[in-house]
Amino acid sequence: TQLLEQSPQFLSIQEGENLTVYCNSSSVFSSLQWYRQEPGEGPVLLVTVVTGGEVKKLKRLTFQFGDARKDSSLHITAAQPGDTGLYLCAGARNTDKLIFGTGTRLQVFP
Amino acid sequence: ETGVTQSPTHLIKTRGQQVTLRCSSQSGHNTVSWYQQALGQGPQFIFQYYREEENGRGNFPPRFSGLQFPNYSSELNVNALELDDSALYLCASSLTGRGNEKLFFGSGTQLSVL
Repeated sequence: TQLLEQSPQFLSIQEGENLTVYCNSSSVFSSLQWYRQEPGEGPVLLVTVVTGGEVKKLKRLTFQFGDARKDSSLHITAAQPGDTGLYLCAGARNTDKLIFGTGTRLQVFP
Repeated sequence: ETGVTQSPTHLIKTRGQQVTLRCSSQSGHNTVSWYQQALGQGPQFIFQYYREEENGRGNFPPRFSGLQFPNYSSELNVNALELDDSALYLCASSLTGRGNEKLFFGSGTQLSVL
């Protein structure tokens, strides 16, 4: 059973388009992280959100934690080829170990 | 650069063999977590070691075992390899191993079981 479901699974867009990736669960998480992973590398942390309703911005990336702390979204404005990669959400329930989502593979074409 | 190094980078084994993967954690970190990542999917938690003791285990059979050394480096051992064990194995280090901590990942070991 996958606790964190991401959608869409694949996304292929043109440079300059906007996109949103969703991370959903039926469980409540005390915090949620977003990672990006490039081919041949391990995931790299982008952001951590801990408060229900929290919104964090990282340049063209906007992250939101749901009010009930069961879901999150990642919005990218004006995507660029450098944004290409596998985007992973990961949740923690109190002191439990980090659980990763199913992943969203993004391809941005010039 | 995360400071976490894994070896080897690639490995090819046959079904039934045993394999040992190694990980050196980032300086100052005493916790190492191991994850298995199938192609195009999210990493699955195998187990975590904190100060040389196992500190949590995911849904993996006993033929997946581990070890952490006094310098906090770690090994992942897999016995009786199966075809489905083919995956990228990721090691991550952190300060305390709590779920809300930032994990620093190595580049992984790509294991192929034929």
